[in-house]
Order: sequence, then structure tokens, then C-alpha cells
Amino acid sequence: QSALTQPASVSGSPGQSITISCTGTSTDVGFYNYVSWYQQHPGKVPKLMISDVTKRPSGVSSRFSGSKSGNTASLTISGLQAEDEADYYCSSFGAGSTLLFGGGTKLTVL
Amino acid sequence: QVTLRESGPALVKPTQTLTLTCTFSGFSLSTSGMSVGWVRQPPGKAPEWLARIDWDDGKYYSTSLRTRLTISKDTSKNQVVLTMTNMDPVDTATFYCARIIVARGYEFDFWGQGTLVTVSS
Repeated sequence: QSALTQPASVSGSPGQSITISCTGTSTDVGFYNYVSWYQQHPGKVPKLMISDVTKRPSGVSSRFSGSKSGNTASLTISGLQAEDEADYYCSSFGAGSTLLFGGGTKLTVL
Repeated sequence: QVTLRESGPALVKPTQTLTLTCTFSGFSLSTSGMSVGWVRQPPGKAPEWLARIDWDDGKYYSTSLRTRLTISKDTSKNQVVLTMTNMDPVDTATFYCARIIVARGYEFDFWGQGTLVTVSS
């Protein structure tokens, strides 16, 4: 199965909001509400930021939010901060009880 | 406190079989709804899901790699083992194990630190 599609890069200035998209198909993102988002700083382990499309784990800033429309899920980060600069990956449950990751988006805080 | 730790060889030769062990604490794989999965991440690339094993011994594999992967668990030792056959240099990656609570969703909520495996002769 193909990976989920994300933009290679996005950027924003401190205080602004940005949105990262994650496009799948009707057999994964579009069918299941099991989309997750991970933040990964260079050399670090991925960190869960959003689960089940919209849920924020304990300890994750409320500046991070998730949504979904059709086959596309989105991660929005509001009030950008320098510490948000990282790679972001989406993941979705898919057909055959598989899990898919997106190709990743590099967020640059200008 | 949930922790996971991967162990295995740092270097394998092409065509060899890779065996990785995930040793975890803070939860039990005999608890309904628990699962442990493996993810690999080549240097500079995105993560790729490999396999997952559930509390009821259900086993699920990446479609593209299923012929090369085997996952198993030893509940008494709190360990999950992944084997990958016929290793190739393109398989060079950091391998992570992570916990999933499938009864809640399919997110990886806790990750190990990862182990870098290089495939080279």
C-alpha cells in the first residue's frame, strides 16, 4: 500500500498558524477515524501529538489540533513557536489491519 | 511508567536474517487491548510500519514486507521479537518498537529509543 501524502515542507512565522495536510484514500483516512500525528525533532524519537483524528494526549499543547474531511486529515498548529520546528508525520489505520505513515512534512519557523 | 527498549545487532550482512527484541515494562501484553508494533525509519526518511502483535496473539504485517517478517511475543518475559529475512543495504534504518492500545485506537503512544541497523558486507 502507498504511503499517505503530505506536503514536503511548510513554514510560518512565530505566532502564526499553519496547517499540514495528509491525504489518503477511502480505505484508510477516509474510512477510519484512526489518524494520528507525530512530531519528530532531529535525532529524536517520534512523539504522539494527535490520535483518533482530533484527540490530544495529556501534556500536548492545546495549540495542536486535528481534523478530517473525506480522505484528507489535517494538523493545525496555532501560535507557532520556535520549538515547533520539526518533522511531522501522519499515520492512519488501513485496510487489512495495516498502518500507514505519511511521507513527512518539515515545518520551518521563520 | 511505560518503557520499551530495542536490542539487536547494529550490523548485519546482506542476505542475513535480522532478529530484534523489544523488552518492555509498565504494561502487559496479556492485557486485553494491548499491542506492540515495529516501525523502521531509514536515515532522513519517513517511518514505515512493519508489524504488530496483539494481546490475543493476532499478528499483522506490512503488505509489502509480509513475506520477510515474523513477529512473536513472550508474555512472561515482556518481550516481542521481530525477524526480517534476506536483509539488503536498502533495509538500513533505525528500528523502533512502540506500544499500541488497540482497544483505544491505533496510535503509538510510547516508543523505544530505537536501534540503528546497518546492512553492509
